[in-house]
Amino acid sequence: DGGITQSPKYLFRKEGQNVTLSCEQNLNHDAMYWYRQDPGQGLRLIYYSQIVNDFQKGDIAEGYSVSREKKESFPLTVTSAQKNPTAFYLCASSMPQGLAGHNEQFFGPGTRLTVL
Amino acid sequence: QKEVEQDPGPLSVPEGAIVSLNCTYSNSAFQYFMWYRQYSRKGPELLMYTYSSGNKEDGRFTAQVDKSSKYISLFIRDSQPSDSATYLCAMSEGMKTSYDKVIFGPGTSLSVIP
Repeated sequence: DGGITQSPKYLFRKEGQNVTLSCEQNLNHDAMYWYRQDPGQGLRLIYYSQIVNDFQKGDIAEGYSVSREKKESFPLTVTSAQKNPTAFYLCASSMPQGLAGHNEQFFGPGTRLTVL
Repeated sequence: QKEVEQDPGPLSVPEGAIVSLNCTYSNSAFQYFMWYRQYSRKGPELLMYTYSSGNKEDGRFTAQVDKSSKYISLFIRDSQPSDSATYLCAMSEGMKTSYDKVIFGPGTSLSVIP
């Protein structure tokens, strides 16, 4: 089955800890994204990567870091510098825009992070 | 003014009703308009997308875009309890030679009551 997997489904973090959220896709998509979802707000872009070994900050990158060493994987680290990390985190991927004509994104099941 | 606005609901309808979900936007450069469905504690799934103005139908779902009014709609006919979810609108300019940023609405929560 082709798709996007995220792990873990639920994650609890103590204040001051860094945690890493996993995102893997086997859709052979070049581009991958991380979003944060909070109640009453649209998805907010944290980081995106259009190709291996390259990534760009989104709208709310402060307190987060990413890597893109493999096409299939785009892990997100939530650092202790992120002041309000409790949220639902969504990973997405998309095929090259030239094929679809636009940025058609496919989402993973999400990771709910709670800071204790 | 937010770039994309959407009534958060919740919207509650009886089974079999016609549902109308709407978004307004401010960026006249948006060309691609998408609707995602998100079940509780799950990731969004793409329902359908429309390019530019007009209607697009897929089974019980119809997407409508009115670019002159900067207004998009999703209609659900013969609504079912399984349609109970949050519906997110999303849109982008569709630039092929650079990054095509997608802007999402906050979502409308829909409950279809048996």
